Parts: sequence; structure tokens; C-alpha cells
Amino acid sequence: EDQVTQSPEALRLQEGESSSLNCSYTVSGLRGLFWYRQDPGKGPEFLFTLYSAGEEKEKERLKATLTKKESFLHITAPKPEDSATYLCAVQRNDYKLSFGAGTTVTVRA
Amino acid sequence: GAGVSQSPSNKVTEKGKDVELRCDPISGHTALYWYRQSLGQGLEFLIYFQGNSAPDKSGLPSDRFSAERTGGSVSTLTIQRTQQEDSAVYLCATRGGAALTEAFFGQGTRLTVV
Repeated sequence: EDQVTQSPEALRLQEGESSSLNCSYTVSGLRGLFWYRQDPGKGPEFLFTLYSAGEEKEKERLKATLTKKESFLHITAPKPEDSATYLCAVQRNDYKLSFGAGTTVTVRA
Repeated sequence: GAGVSQSPSNKVTEKGKDVELRCDPISGHTALYWYRQSLGQGLEFLIYFQGNSAPDKSGLPSDRFSAERTGGSVSTLTIQRTQQEDSAVYLCATRGGAALTEAFFGQGTRLTVV
């Protein structure tokens, strides 16, 4: 069975304090790993798709990387508006997306 | 529409009543998922529809849960004889044709069973 584990569960940062979130997975036949952002009371919003180990993607202050066992979401010089829950999901050789429980990030001004 | 639309946004129901949750997908999106998100938990897969293929119902937690998708478009998730443990946010997501495209989520329906 697919397992997706995100750590830490919660992260409190000072504005400008860079940090990383971890998503470790055990899945056979990984075809893609997805990162989403979820604000309170809203549905998840797509950020990145990573397909193979060594791949990196960036968007504003966020950078996602992928190895054979885990993915990292790096937040560089975060701002209060980066506060959200960040979810990762894996997809194997079919269509099912398996999600982790998420990391809730709070950035204080 | 421009995005995935779910209705109602909030639903409070009495234990034992039936509820229907609706999802209007992005036009042209053939794949549709239902997920359940309980407080502090990750997204739990419920059911998947792809075009005219038989749906994958493997995530439905009990036979009180059912879903249909009419004409490959609108989907309805029905929960019969609701229980308090059914209280959660129910999220619908849709995807375009390619299997690895991003999934777009609706705002969710927050269901509270009292």
C-alpha cells in the first residue's frame, strides 16, 4: 500500500526565515509527485508536479525537489502570505492520488 | 465554468438523514475524483470516474456511500443514513485527458452531522 509521510506536522517561521518541508513516500511505480497548497476553508491549489529523481521546479519563493524516496519543498525568505497547509501526493501506474497529511506553515511578520 | 464547483458549501444534517453533494467539473475534464478530508487528516480517496469506464469505488468506506456521474459531467455523492463520523469536508477534483496532468479541486462541501 502506498504511504506518504509529511514532516513536520507544523512549522512556525519568522518572516524571512527559510526552511524545508519533507515528503517521504513508499510507492511502487511512481509516475509523479504533486505539491499542493491549501488555505483554510478552501480546496487544495496545485503548485508543482515532479516526475523523476533529480528534478527541480521553482515558483516565486518555493522550490520543490525529488529523490527516489522523498521530496522537499523549500521556502526561501517566506512572507506571511505563504502561511498555508502544504500537501504532497503521489501517483503510481494508474490514476489514484495518495495524499500525505500535510504540513501547516505559519509565517509571522 | 472556470473552475470546479461544489454545492452546497456547507451542510448540516441530522443523524440518520440522507445527503447529496454535487460536483460540477471543469468543462471537458474526463477524470473526476471524490476525496474526504477530516479535521487534521490527509485527503482520503473515495471514488474515481474516468469517461465511460466503470468507476473505481475502492475507497468508499461503507455501502451507505454511493456516487454517480451523469453524462460524463456532473457528479453526485450520496451518503445514506448519515452518522456523526461522516462529518468532514468532501472535496471533488477533476483532471483533463492526460493521466499526469494536475488535478483541480473545488472548494469542498463541509458536512456536519448532528
